[in-house]
Amino acid sequence: DSGVTQTPKHLITATGQRVTLRCSPRSGDLSVYWYQQSLDQGLQFLIQYYNGEERAKGNILERFSAQQFPDLHSELNLSSLELGDSALYFCASSVAFGSYYEQYFGPGTRLTVT
Amino acid sequence: AQSVTQLDSQVPVFEEAPVELRCNYSSSVSVYLFWYVQYPNQGLQLLLKYLSGSTLVESINGFEAEFNKSQTSFHLRKPSVHISDTAEYFCAVSERGSARQLTFGSGTQLTVLP
Repeated sequence: DSGVTQTPKHLITATGQRVTLRCSPRSGDLSVYWYQQSLDQGLQFLIQYYNGEERAKGNILERFSAQQFPDLHSELNLSSLELGDSALYFCASSVAFGSYYEQYFGPGTRLTVT
Repeated sequence: AQSVTQLDSQVPVFEEAPVELRCNYSSSVSVYLFWYVQYPNQGLQLLLKYLSGSTLVESINGFEAEFNKSQTSFHLRKPSVHISDTAEYFCAVSERGSARQLTFGSGTQLTVLP
């Protein structure tokens, strides 16, 4: 158990819908990362937050957005869902930002868009 | 920008045989190097990492990887595999000196046969 929790574990929804994925980092970790794992694209970095502020952006679609709240949990919002958004979405957390700190991964949320 | 190439998508090997999973990377800056393992229906776990110092790094369960700067490689080896090593293995890099996002390879499915 990495200490990173993600809810829900599974999500099935229809095209055009909007969903919210939630991540709680390990106790004391200030940085949160979101990754998408799909058959087509592999494991891709989406976005990083540090202590409530966006720090880095990867291949995140405009239909997707994220935020980190004062209690440090993070939410990834996916809207106007398409079949191709079906994937495993991982959250990871690390202690800080600015030097190397190990990223601990959550178990993931499996999103199926039908 | 960085990129990671894992040349073998599937590696079947018999139990107690040696195995090597290959990883090459490309980067315009210095990087940290990682191997992550993903067991079925689970999240990613850090197997081992190279940050600095000795170019040979080892994990607690018998895996080792060697950083070769001239060949830009970070191959993963184990002298004798077990059935329980069956999993998907991901090589990853991140920019040195920062707690930034990981760039992953496409993964290698290691299947250990009895």
